[in-house]
Amino acid sequence: EPEVTQTPSHQVTQMGQEVILRCVPISNHLYFYWYRQILGQKVEFLVSFYNNEISEKSEIFDDQFSVERPDGSNFTLKIRSTKLEDSAMYFCASSRGRGRNEQFFGPGTRLTVL
Amino acid sequence: AQSVTQLDSQVPVFEEAPVELRCNYSSSVSVYLFWYVQYPNQGLQLLLKYLSGSTLVKGINGFEAEFNKSQTSFHLRKPSVHISDTAEYFCAVSWASGGSYIPTFGRGTSLIVHP
Repeated sequence: EPEVTQTPSHQVTQMGQEVILRCVPISNHLYFYWYRQILGQKVEFLVSFYNNEISEKSEIFDDQFSVERPDGSNFTLKIRSTKLEDSAMYFCASSRGRGRNEQFFGPGTRLTVL
Repeated sequence: AQSVTQLDSQVPVFEEAPVELRCNYSSSVSVYLFWYVQYPNQGLQLLLKYLSGSTLVKGINGFEAEFNKSQTSFHLRKPSVHISDTAEYFCAVSWASGGSYIPTFGRGTSLIVHP
């Protein structure tokens, strides 16, 4: 059964460093998403990506964040200069369509910023 | 904007007992409603969804949920739980028309099934 994969499973970084979180969405899906979950809090939407561009983003997704689909299979989230408050679980998801369509989630990357 | 409230952060229950996980939402327009489950060290996976039609929705693993428009609720139920149902459960809502199609998630409810 196809699944969304994410690497690494855990990333530890120093404050101010750049990190890139990687995701491989399901191959025939068209919409891609990043969410984050700070420990004990809600799953929060960061950004959605369709047709090689950002289709929607939240207030959290500021200039420190960027997304890319560099090669037609990977979908990456870059945080340019990490802050302590970026420590969270980051989930990638993909879907065939939008709205009523189910999102398929990866297992997440736990980012720890020291 | 829509919002989702999962009133219980943790629900402990004994094996074979029934369980209900509560979810309330607020939205001024028609919505789609989802329940996702997250097992330890895994991603979220869809349990069930309400799009339209019958208000009682059946999902995987014996779970069901009932959409109640007047009470703006979408509670998840299972008549008899298993140890293997121990997981985090997330309710989510998205707009059915207009506006953002991105689902809003609740904080999650941790279901802990004891033997």
